[in-house]
Amino acid sequence: SQQGEEDPQALSIQEGENATMNCSYKTSINNLQWYRQNSGRGLVHLILIRSNEREKHSGRLRVTLDTSKKSSSLLITASRAADTASYFCATEPPPHNNNDMRFGAGTRLTVKP
Amino acid sequence: DAGVIQSPRHEVTEMGQEVTLRCKPISGHNSLFWYRQTMMRGLELLIYFNNNVPIDDSGMPEDRFSAKMPNASFSTLKIQPSEPRDSAVYFCASSQGGGSYEQYFGPGTRLTVT
Repeated sequence: SQQGEEDPQALSIQEGENATMNCSYKTSINNLQWYRQNSGRGLVHLILIRSNEREKHSGRLRVTLDTSKKSSSLLITASRAADTASYFCATEPPPHNNNDMRFGAGTRLTVKP
Repeated sequence: DAGVIQSPRHEVTEMGQEVTLRCKPISGHNSLFWYRQTMMRGLELLIYFNNNVPIDDSGMPEDRFSAKMPNASFSTLKIQPSEPRDSAVYFCASSQGGGSYEQYFGPGTRLTVT
């Protein structure tokens, strides 16, 4: 069963604009991870944010986490056509540290040149 | 390291045939995962292993599916007999351990059952 739910399901923007994707989850977590999947490829890990962190940056990526609302957001700044991909959040439902990562349905991002 | 290796990359088979998908995890990783991805159901965790031992196979859809990990460097996912609804992309992933570690995905095997 899915643990995280991404929103929106699809997002289309122009190159240079910022893209924001959201993830909501249902249970307590130790951490939340974001992955990217290019068409026809495997998922690639982008960033991990721990439950005691509120914000994390990696290059043009900014991730926030609000454990009180059980939600996270992924912001891609100054988007490029190469950012076109599906983005997934993943969490580990209790009991934690048992490797049982659950992925959401993903947000399909299209960046138009 | 070459990353997670999966074979074959594409498999087309007829209904009723046995299908075996193979995975070689990243050396030193002690957790291995099998996922299935379809448009309808998204990415589903089928089974995962810790130190070659199956921990949770509750995601395996039916008895037709079985997975083995005879050693730390090799795993198989077998479907016998295959059905058209098994058509999907099957991913193998490995990680160093628990949920605090990122998973490294292979390129996937695209299975088509006719």
